Amino acid sequence: GDSVTQMEGPVTLSEEAFLTINCTYTATGYPSLFWYVQYPGEGLQLLLKATKADDKGSNKGFEATYRKETTSFHLEKGSVQVSDSAVYFCALTVPSKAAGNKLTFGGGTRVLVKP
Amino acid sequence: ETGVTQSPTHLIKTRGQQVTLRCSSQSGHNTVSWYQQALGQGPQFIFQYYREEENGRGNFPPRFSGLQFPNYSSELNVNALELDDSALYLCASLTGTGSPGANVLTFGAGSRLTVL
Repeated sequence: GDSVTQMEGPVTLSEEAFLTINCTYTATGYPSLFWYVQYPGEGLQLLLKATKADDKGSNKGFEATYRKETTSFHLEKGSVQVSDSAVYFCALTVPSKAAGNKLTFGGGTRVLVKP
Repeated sequence: ETGVTQSPTHLIKTRGQQVTLRCSSQSGHNTVSWYQQALGQGPQFIFQYYREEENGRGNFPPRFSGLQFPNYSSELNVNALELDDSALYLCASLTGTGSPGANVLTFGAGSRLTVL
């Protein structure tokens, strides 16, 4: 079945540091890929997405490139802020009749940015 | 404001009881799905409803059931609660541009269920 593997946290950084969160996937079809962010006490918010190979999703200074050859979708940000402290989830969807538009999530990576 | 509202935000039940969680989304969002997020884990897909019918289900037992109403609001019902059902339950509505891969799930803030 489909699965997403992302690096375990917590990841602790200083403000203005470079952030990378690795994400790899396996999928039976041709997936769309997503990064969601969850701030403390809140639900999930879409951060960015990519729907085909070599697409780059970007938002709020975060970027991720859909790499079909390495089945990866690593998240990067060049200079993090304290407000980026959250849990980040990599996810994929391969729409099907059996599972609708089911999202398959990784386990999440907690990021803590210190001033 | 995400456009997806869930209630209640928190609740406590005891083992064996039944619970109903509710979700409402913006007009026109005719696809809704539910996810279970255990503490420290990623969300797990429970099921999806489209135009009041279930059209996708994850690996959850039949005691997890749902409803979608003509106004596209939705309920998640869990019978015979077990301790492991303690989790954050997330509702999401599907929005997008029509292309299946481009569709995006917008999540509510969730209902946190504690089973004692």
